Parts: sequence; C-alpha cells; structure tokens
Amino acid sequence: DAGITQSPRHKVTETGTPVTLRCHQTENHRYMYWYRQDPGHGLRLIHYSYGVKDTDKGEVSDGYSVSRSKTEDFLLTLESATSSQTSVYFCASRDRATDTQYFGPGTRLTVL
Amino acid sequence: TQLLEQSPQFLSIQEGENLTVYCNSSSVFSSLQWYRQEPGEGPVLLVTVVTGGEVKKLKRLTFQFGDARKDSSLHITAAQPGDTGLYLCAGARSGNQFYFGTGTSLTVIP
Repeated sequence: DAGITQSPRHKVTETGTPVTLRCHQTENHRYMYWYRQDPGHGLRLIHYSYGVKDTDKGEVSDGYSVSRSKTEDFLLTLESATSSQTSVYFCASRDRATDTQYFGPGTRLTVL
Repeated sequence: TQLLEQSPQFLSIQEGENLTVYCNSSSVFSSLQWYRQEPGEGPVLLVTVVTGGEVKKLKRLTFQFGDARKDSSLHITAAQPGDTGLYLCAGARSGNQFYFGTGTSLTVIP
C-alpha cells in the first residue's frame, strides 16, 4: 500500500478560526486529492492537484483553499471555519498508471 | 446533487445470502471504480471497469459496467461477515476528477 498519512487525525475548533489539514505521501504520485465525507453523500471532491503548484477546484470547493509546494505534501486550509465544514476529510494520492487512488486514514474535524 | 446514486443505502443480510448493490447515473463515465471502506479507515479500491458491458470477478464479488457506461452493479455471492463495510462506487469523467456515489452500508450477520 502507498504511504499516505494525514495530520491531525482529530481536531475540534471554533467557528471563524483558520484550520490547516496536512496530507503526506511517500509514493511520488503526481496527483493528490482532498475529499470530505458526510452521511448520505459518499465522498465529495474539494480540490485536487496535478503537480507542484498545480491545483484545481472540485465540486465543493467554496470555503477551502489548497497548496502544494512539494510533491509529497498537499495542504487543505479552511480560512474561516464554519459549522457546515464539520466532516471527515480524506486525502488521496493517485497512481496514474493504474488509476488507483490510495487514501489516508482521514481527519475528523468538528467546528463548534 | 450527486452524480451517482447507490441503492440500497443500507443492507443487512445473513451469512451465506447473495446481494446486489446498484450504482446509477444519467451521466456517462469513462471508467467506474468500486471501493470498500471499513470504519475509521479510508476507502480501498476493489476494481476498475472501463468498457461498456465489462464484467470483472474478484473471488465472490462480480462487478459489471453498464453497456452505456452510466451504471454499474456489484454482486456478492454467499456473503461472509468479512464483507461487512461501506461500498462506494466512483466514476471518472474528465480523467482527473472522480465522482463518488452515495454509498451502501452492508452488514453481514453471522
């Protein structure tokens, strides 16, 4: 399995505070993704990256920004957290040769 | 609005029974994937189908991609408790973005 780690694994924060989630991969995959998972919605794409400094929006990108300064790291930032952003966030890196996405263990974020 | 709808949303069956999970859309996908997710973990890829009408088998699991590449099904024969989990389908359209289904939570009772 690809080495995908996420930090923190759990976070509780207050409305209006900035939050940054980190994803780290060791497989040198070019593509990386941030999803959120909510009951009844499966996973929804927030942003993705197709290379260092190359990112694009997904279907639920409002209120989120991302950055990728190195191949192995993909950061997701909530500039001003809202209660609607309470969710479980998953990061994935993708092996383009097999189209396999390897997911991290997730970050459970609670915004009070 | 989800591009991919899965049914049923919840399924609880006895060990040894057969089941089918459906993944439907009005959109065409270039490929479709099935994942299984266990509590507290990220999804793990089971299979990718790319050709309309394609059927793939993975032990007791059979995956089919619809002829029009708008839908897919997952059939499990003789379900076992180890099959318990959340099953997610995911379709690719532009090649770089994946749209996940709403998920089917399966519980197999020993």
